[in-house]
Amino acid sequence: AQSVTQLDSHVSVSEGTPVLLRCNYSSSYSPSLFWYVQHPNKGLQLLLKYTSAATLVKGINGFEAEFKKSETSFHLTKPSAHMSDAAEYFCVVTQYGNKLVFGAGTILRVKS
Amino acid sequence: EAGVAQSPRYKIIEKRQSVAFWCNPISGHATLYWYQQILGQGPKLLIQFQNNGVVDDSQLPKDRFSAERLKGVDSTLKIQPAKLEDSAVYLCASSLNRDTGNTIYFGEGSWLTVV
Repeated sequence: AQSVTQLDSHVSVSEGTPVLLRCNYSSSYSPSLFWYVQHPNKGLQLLLKYTSAATLVKGINGFEAEFKKSETSFHLTKPSAHMSDAAEYFCVVTQYGNKLVFGAGTILRVKS
Repeated sequence: EAGVAQSPRYKIIEKRQSVAFWCNPISGHATLYWYQQILGQGPKLLIQFQNNGVVDDSQLPKDRFSAERLKGVDSTLKIQPAKLEDSAVYLCASSLNRDTGNTIYFGEGSWLTVV
């Protein structure tokens, strides 16, 4: 069965500093992986996705993630945090039939 | 392009009452999903439709939850009777089809509080 583990429930960074949100996955076949963001009282927005093409995936708002098969990781990074990045981030893996399995989420706090 | 529409956005009911949520997916999307998100957790799939047929409802509590997508477009999720633990956000989502890796688009959710 496919699953993801988000290693940090909360991450706090200062504005202008790098962001790293960590995610490890488990999959019995070559996975499709996603990062979604959820702002308070809003729906889920797709940040980026990996579907077995380039291992470094660029997404919206300056985010990117690198698929590392040897480490079974798909960490999300951004060079410089902005106040508007404060939200909850979900790492997601797909099951057969395009069903999403979500991690528990990481809440990102950005300090001014 | 219009996104996934859901209503109502917020609902408060007493336990043992019933509630229904409506969803209209993105035009042309054959696959529709209902997810439940309990506070502090990631969303969990309740049911997946392909056109008007159910593909997966293995995690739907069928003694109290039901869902339909009669004409293969919009969908309704019903809870009857509601329990306190049903308090959650109910997210509707859609994708073009069931091919793995197809982008899934989410609505803003229907927030349910059961008191």
